[in-house]
Amino acid sequence: AQTVTQSQPEMSVQEAETVTLSCTYDTSENNYYLFWYKQPPSRQMILVIRQEAYKQQNATENRFSVNFQKAAKSFSLKISDSQLGDTAMYFCAFMKPTGANSKLTFGKGITLSVRP
Amino acid sequence: NAGVTQTPKFQVLKTGQSMTLQCAQDMNHEYMSWYRQDPGMGLRLIHYSVGAGITDQGEVPNGYNVSRSTTEDFPLRLLSAAPSQTSVYFCASSPWTLRGNRMNTEAFFGQGTRLTVV
Repeated sequence: AQTVTQSQPEMSVQEAETVTLSCTYDTSENNYYLFWYKQPPSRQMILVIRQEAYKQQNATENRFSVNFQKAAKSFSLKISDSQLGDTAMYFCAFMKPTGANSKLTFGKGITLSVRP
Repeated sequence: NAGVTQTPKFQVLKTGQSMTLQCAQDMNHEYMSWYRQDPGMGLRLIHYSVGAGITDQGEVPNGYNVSRSTTEDFPLRLLSAAPSQTSVYFCASSPWTLRGNRMNTEAFFGQGTRLTVV
């Protein structure tokens, strides 16, 4: 079974600064997907960014980018120019694409606070 | 386009009571799932369904039942509520369709139900 580890329970960053959230995972699969989800105080789960394991290029979405190290099984999220609206819980998630039976495995999450 | 709709948003139950959490999606997604979120535990899969008439257990299925009579609806039933089932519950749906050699993998979540069992 796959496992996802987020070892930092919380982090804090000054507005406009850059912060990196860590995630490691364990799998014997070669083809899979990795995700970062954001959960603001509204409780809504929002997809931030997605990485396909067969792609060597790191995914980017505006101020959000990942550092995907497949050999090390590491998938960190970098948030540049942090904004107050980035305050949320962030979850790293893994999915092995087996078609209709594909399931998401989540890490425990990290609470990010952006200070004004 | 409503996406994934969960009802109710909040619920308080007494130990031993039963109830059904409703989930509906209007995106014609085949795959639907239920997660529970507990502090320090992340989201854990309870049950999932790959299409109408097909359901299977996830990581923490005990105490919960599901059925999938239509593509749109995937209700979660608590048979006899226990304090250990106090949690936030999320329903999600996904297309899991192949486009060429790429899979559409995005999961769409409902807004969650905060359930308290006293």
